[in-house]
Amino acid sequence: DAGVIQSPRHEVTEMGQEVTLRCKPISGHNSLFWYRQTMMRGLELLIYFNNNVPIDDSGMPEDRFSAKMPNASFSTLKIQPSEPRDSAVYFCASTALAAGYGYTFGSGTRLTVV
Amino acid sequence: DAKTTQPPSMDCAEGRAANLPCNHSTISGNEYVYWYRQIHSQGPQYIIHGLKNNETNEMASLIITEDRKSSTLILPHATLRDTAVYYCIVRAPTGGGNKLTFGTGTQLKVEL
Repeated sequence: DAGVIQSPRHEVTEMGQEVTLRCKPISGHNSLFWYRQTMMRGLELLIYFNNNVPIDDSGMPEDRFSAKMPNASFSTLKIQPSEPRDSAVYFCASTALAAGYGYTFGSGTRLTVV
Repeated sequence: DAKTTQPPSMDCAEGRAANLPCNHSTISGNEYVYWYRQIHSQGPQYIIHGLKNNETNEMASLIITEDRKSSTLILPHATLRDTAVYYCIVRAPTGGGNKLTFGTGTQLKVEL
């Protein structure tokens, strides 16, 4: 298994532009999580899905952030418009609902907004 | 989820055992103790978890005290590649749907 696949690995964009981060969870996993990591705030959960349905989006910082999971093998996190304070590493993780442990994280997308 | 307390940093000599402590005095009866680690610039990696019995796998051992208010992650023979931030997390394993909340963890530095 290739693990959780995130793209792109690095993204540099100008303030005000739209940014889309992508995630492919492990096949068979039905729970997906988006995290953001910064030096100041550490690892923060933004949103998670069970069976493609958003369960808790209380960590999404504001309306500029949105996430979708159109099917079991793909999710996107979109920022529109982007701001310099959105610069961070964004991680996607997946697990099987029946497992109860062992979240698998992707390698992350390092976003820089200039 | 119960709150956890970990030392911010620890050092360990290569080849020696690394013992990482975690306090979770408010843990509930159905909550498990999970350990993850994050090597620089990588995503967090699951290590081990347990409820009340000691657990061992190919990566580490987990020792949970009888009253379950604290635990210790043991890396029996630490190597330079074990240098990472180690997170202790306590939560109920309701089918994986519950969110995983990370604290600040312990920065373990393994040195020659």
